[in-house]
Amino acid sequence: AQSVTQPDIHITVSEGASLELRCNYSYGATPYLFWYVQSPGQGLQLLLKYFSGDTLVQGIKGFEAEFKRSQSSFNLRKPSVHWSDAAEYFCAVARFSGGYNKLIFGAGTRLAVHP
Amino acid sequence: SAVISQKPSRDICQRGTSLTIQCQVDSQVTMMFWYRQQPGQSLTLIATANQGSEATYESGFVIDKFPISRPNLTFSTLTVSNMSPEDSSIYLCSAGLAVAHEQFFGPGTRLTVL
Repeated sequence: AQSVTQPDIHITVSEGASLELRCNYSYGATPYLFWYVQSPGQGLQLLLKYFSGDTLVQGIKGFEAEFKRSQSSFNLRKPSVHWSDAAEYFCAVARFSGGYNKLIFGAGTRLAVHP
Repeated sequence: SAVISQKPSRDICQRGTSLTIQCQVDSQVTMMFWYRQQPGQSLTLIATANQGSEATYESGFVIDKFPISRPNLTFSTLTVSNMSPEDSSIYLCSAGLAVAHEQFFGPGTRLTVL
């Protein structure tokens, strides 16, 4: 069965430091992969997605992610974190069922940013 | 992309009552989904809202508890029936185009059941 694992429940970084959030997936075919961010009291915003092609994808707010098939990973990175990046981050994989894709989410990683 | 609104944004309800949540999309979309996010948890898909036909429910969710309507391509409702405190969650609507594979989310409805 398809699944998504985010090993880190909480991460704390200093403002200006680099960031990497880990995501591992289990999926039989070529996956469609996503990163979403949820700020407190808000819905989910799509940061970036991977469908095919270049394995390094660029997203909004200066985020990027790299798809590594050999490691079944899709880690999210940012070179310099801003205080406004404090939020919960969800990795998701699309599962094709009933004619369209349904999202399976990881447990999420809560990011805290120290000034 | 699609802009999605939900009403109400939050509510506090009594045990045994029902609440209907509305989801409105600013453009015609192929897919609409309803998710539940329990406190401190990730998102779990409740059902796919099918336009003009019965919703498709995921394992563990049933129509009697979560009836869903989707009368057209831009609007859907989710009802949480006969509520108990265990139903206290954030309920999120999402939408997208099948060909685009991605989903856009509404701001969520925060439900507290006393």
